[in-house]
Amino acid sequence: AQTVTQSQPEMSVQEAETVTLSCTYDTSENNYYLFWYKQPPSRQMILVIRQEAYKQQNATENRFSVNFQKAAKSFSLKISDSQLGDTAMYFCAFMKLAGTYKYIFGTGTRLKVLA
Amino acid sequence: EAGVAQSPRYKIIEKRQSVAFWCNPISGHATLYWYQQILGQGPKLLIQFQNNGVVDDSQLPKDRFSAERLKGVDSTLKIQPAKLEDSAVYLCASSLDRDGTEAFFGQGTRLTVV
Repeated sequence: AQTVTQSQPEMSVQEAETVTLSCTYDTSENNYYLFWYKQPPSRQMILVIRQEAYKQQNATENRFSVNFQKAAKSFSLKISDSQLGDTAMYFCAFMKLAGTYKYIFGTGTRLKVLA
Repeated sequence: EAGVAQSPRYKIIEKRQSVAFWCNPISGHATLYWYQQILGQGPKLLIQFQNNGVVDDSQLPKDRFSAERLKGVDSTLKIQPAKLEDSAVYLCASSLDRDGTEAFFGQGTRLTVV
């Protein structure tokens, strides 16, 4: 069975600074996707970034980038130039590309951006 | 494009009562998920539909939870009877297909069982 671990329950960062959220996962699969979702107080989960396991190049989306280390089963999210609107829960998620294609989420990291 | 709609936003019930949640996914999305998110935890999949068929309900407590997806569009999730440990946020999500594309989430229903 696949598991996703987020070892940082809470983090804080000063506005305009850079922060990195950690995620590790365990799987014997070779074909899968990894995701970071953001959940603001409104509770609506929003996709931040997605990484296909077969791609060696790390995904980037504007101020958001990942460090994907497949051998180490590590998938960290870097937020550059942090903004107050980045304050939210961040969930790392895994999806194997077979069977039911379901998301398996970690326990989340609560990020607070300080003015 | 309209997002995933869920209702109600909040619900408070007494234990042993029944409750139902409704979800209207994005038009054309074949895959629909119901997740349970207990406070301080990540979302846990309860049931996944592909069109109107169930593809995964392995973590659905079938003695008290039931779900259906009418004509492959709207879906309802029911709890009967509710227990205190069912207090959680129930999230509905949909995606275009079962292929790793982005899932779009609704705002969820916060259920409190007293």
